[in-house]
Amino acid sequence: QKEVEQNSGPLSVPEGAIASLNCTYSDRVSQSFFWYRQYSGKSPELIMSIYSNGDKEDGRFTAQLNKASQYVSLLIRDSQPSDSATYLCAVNRSFGNEKLTFGTGTRLTIIP
Amino acid sequence: NAGVMQNPRHLVRRRGQEARLRCSPVKGHSHVYWYRQLPEEGLKFMVYLQKENIIDESGMPKERFSAEFPKEGPSILRIQQVVRGDSAAYFCASQRGEGETQYFGPGTRLLVL
Repeated sequence: QKEVEQNSGPLSVPEGAIASLNCTYSDRVSQSFFWYRQYSGKSPELIMSIYSNGDKEDGRFTAQLNKASQYVSLLIRDSQPSDSATYLCAVNRSFGNEKLTFGTGTRLTIIP
Repeated sequence: NAGVMQNPRHLVRRRGQEARLRCSPVKGHSHVYWYRQLPEEGLKFMVYLQKENIIDESGMPKERFSAEFPKEGPSILRIQQVVRGDSAAYFCASQRGEGETQYFGPGTRLLVL
């Protein structure tokens, strides 16, 4: 079992709709959870971080965390063509050594 | 990329040569992480360094790879006797301190011929 699992996609969503990205993780001691966006040929860019159960909203983005189910999701409202990218889910286990374990990413395409 | 610098951005080496990848963290950041991204794969942790110390190198291949973060100057990831399987994008991320965000550099794309 992979430590962090994501559907690889591609996920196609019409412009203006809600894109829903999902991620599961296997290590129950994981403490911190992140969503990064990566455009082709570019470096990862932090979109959202979440540390406690529930929802966290930032603009058009909402991260949801359910530690009991070991599940993290990212919702993108009012999807724009510029949201087309690969979205990487990442977790780390503890403060002090915050190396990130990444999923393989979900490729999202927003259709105009 | 929040000020993290990596150079070179692209590096071509022939099998058996050495590759040196440099990472200058954001000013004031003392934590550096190196990750590797193989084609069509996710990022994999390689090594975590603080100034003059290797904290965690559990993701580093046992041979040919080494890393340092000296008191002065950039962090260096060194790959000796490169092989074609080393072709990948190598990213460093810098962090000011514990609990802070990791900011990624633009990466070095290594191609081994």
